[in-house]
Amino acid sequence: NAGVTQTPKFQVLKTGQSMTLQCAQDMNHEYMSWYRQDPGMGLRLIHYSVGAGITDQGEVPNGYNVSRSTTEDFPLRLLSAAPSQTSVYFCASSRGAVQPQHFGDGTRLSIL
Amino acid sequence: GNSVTQMEGPVTLSEEAFLTINCTYTATGYPSLFWYVQYPGEGLQLLLKATKADDKGSNKGFEATYRKETTSFHLEKGSVQVSDSAVYFCALSAGANSKLTFGKGITLSVRP
Repeated sequence: NAGVTQTPKFQVLKTGQSMTLQCAQDMNHEYMSWYRQDPGMGLRLIHYSVGAGITDQGEVPNGYNVSRSTTEDFPLRLLSAAPSQTSVYFCASSRGAVQPQHFGDGTRLSIL
Repeated sequence: GNSVTQMEGPVTLSEEAFLTINCTYTATGYPSLFWYVQYPGEGLQLLLKATKADDKGSNKGFEATYRKETTSFHLEKGSVQVSDSAVYFCALSAGANSKLTFGKGITLSVRP
């Protein structure tokens, strides 16, 4: 089983560039989320979705956009990359409320 | 709002030592509690969970008991192995949208 698949695994961007981090899950989970992991900060929620067509902001949404056109996919868009967005990004999915989340392997993003 | 506080790290132990990692939480309502583990270069994996007061979650020799009176969910293992070296995150989920709130994580290193 693939579970949650994130692409790319690594990416280097220049300040001001835009890009999309891809996330796909094959478990038919309704809930999907994006987190960023920074040293000493734990994981912080960027955006989440409770189903196709429904998204909402998390703790640190500024500078990021999401959409959920299908149950399987939940891409994260950086509109104009900034050095402060250098981080490791994790996508996660779960079957429903208070269910354990399944995480992808992460995307390590560096903004120069 | 919801929050999770973990003890400061890192923690270094010898193989077969006893492990305790403290976790306390603040939440409205009745949260579900989780421990996630992150091995080097990987995403987070669910280690164990508890969904109501006095529940004990257990997996791979690790245990944690949901203590509502002390708002705690401390992780314990009687005899750690080198393969337990990882980052451990305490987390809670509260409310209808399955949003996880993470602690900052603690790095455990086990030496032979």
